[in-house]
Amino acid sequence: GAGVSQSPSNKVTEKGKDVELRCDPISGHTALYWYRQSLGQGLEFLIYFQGNSAPDKSGLPSDRFSAERTGGSVSTLTIQRTQQEDSAVYLCASSARRTGEAFFGQGTRLTVV
Amino acid sequence: AQKVTQAQTEISVVEKEDVTLDCVYETRDTTYYLFWYKQPPSGELVFLIRRNSFDEQNEISGRYSWNFQKSTSSFNFTITASQVVDSAVYFCALSEAGGSARQLTFGSGTQLTVLP
Repeated sequence: GAGVSQSPSNKVTEKGKDVELRCDPISGHTALYWYRQSLGQGLEFLIYFQGNSAPDKSGLPSDRFSAERTGGSVSTLTIQRTQQEDSAVYLCASSARRTGEAFFGQGTRLTVV
Repeated sequence: AQKVTQAQTEISVVEKEDVTLDCVYETRDTTYYLFWYKQPPSGELVFLIRRNSFDEQNEISGRYSWNFQKSTSSFNFTITASQVVDSAVYFCALSEAGGSARQLTFGSGTQLTVLP
């Protein structure tokens, strides 16, 4: 399809393990965002990529969280040594411009047990 | 710092009633963008509208309308003649254009339930 694709759609992991979440943005979109949505909560900004500029990492909650974007396209969000409080839906979005409408993927539901 | 407040956590209406979802924002920028997104039970966020801070014209799209008032820093969303399919969580969001942080700041969302 032509939308934002995220994988896996669901991930259950044991506390202490590392996980990688993948996002394929809409082709040609230069801006890519990661957000986290905890149960019953709003969306929490994590990190933002714009073209070749240095990413805005101001929303990452701890140094266990990191993200990269290879070739200006696919992005991977990595959570090391997962904790139960990391359980949430992780949403990726992309937009054609810095302030254009962002199109969201369906998210990855992460459960840490 | 930017902030978006959606004071209504949950709203319940009966089908065909009109309903207004409130959104109040805070920003130090003179140029910014406001958005509304819909999150149905399937979970995917659906873009509804984007409004530039220099454009205070109210907008109507079918049963949806938006009232942007800079004087009160509000960007309210009205659904006319609501339908059961309108049941979802609605998020208001803000993006500053002048600052270094260009991420979207979301409100906490309003859960709208439309009863048949």
